[in-house]
Amino acid sequence: DIQMTQSPSSLSASVGDRVTITCRASQSISSYLNWYQQKPGKAPNLLIYAASSLQSGVPSRFSGSGSGTDFTLTISSLQPEDFATYYCQQSYNTPLTFGGGTKVEIE
Amino acid sequence: QVQLQQSGPGLVKPSQTLSLTCAISGDSVSSNSVAWNWIRQSPSRGLEWLGRTYYRSKWYNDYAVSVKSRITINPDTSKNQFSLQLNSVTPEDTAVYYCATYDRNYKYFDPWGQGTLVTVSS
Repeated sequence: DIQMTQSPSSLSASVGDRVTITCRASQSISSYLNWYQQKPGKAPNLLIYAASSLQSGVPSRFSGSGSGTDFTLTISSLQPEDFATYYCQQSYNTPLTFGGGTKVEIE
Repeated sequence: QVQLQQSGPGLVKPSQTLSLTCAISGDSVSSNSVAWNWIRQSPSRGLEWLGRTYYRSKWYNDYAVSVKSRITINPDTSKNQFSLQLNSVTPEDTAVYYCATYDRNYKYFDPWGQGTLVTVSS
């Protein structure tokens, strides 16, 4: 199985901050990497697919980069509605696996 | 657009069978371009993909090794839905269970069902 490791597991930030979350795969997954946002009591919501493609309707302050084993999700200017938990997920092969999550909290 | 609506009990006794259903609107369970998945989430295991069913001229299933001996995912073409059955449950199966659509071309989960908290307890 491909293991997905996110860092940090949590972070505190202020509105307007630039935030970067890292995801590392245990083997190369090309660009088969997706990012999701999850708010309490809700299902995960797709933000970025294929490492860097922005899902329709997602604000442009979200961006993704990387390929192979190392990926990043960047929020260019954190907004109040962005306080949530973020997950990466590899779609290179089955079993489809997720990272452990990064909780973004208000500083 | 595609919407998924989950249903099923929130409490299951140990050793019994967990059964959930996911009703699909806006697409067909027999679509060739998607797969229909079950994913669960718990504090101890995080987000865990359990398995999927999909149609490519015939029906296929893939299951996670961790539950392979206990899981069945079935399509129901008459009701345009799919189901999850997990046998011989233990308290470790307590989790929020989600159904989710997997796009064959873009390889992502979207949309998801609303989630069902299933507690395994006597």
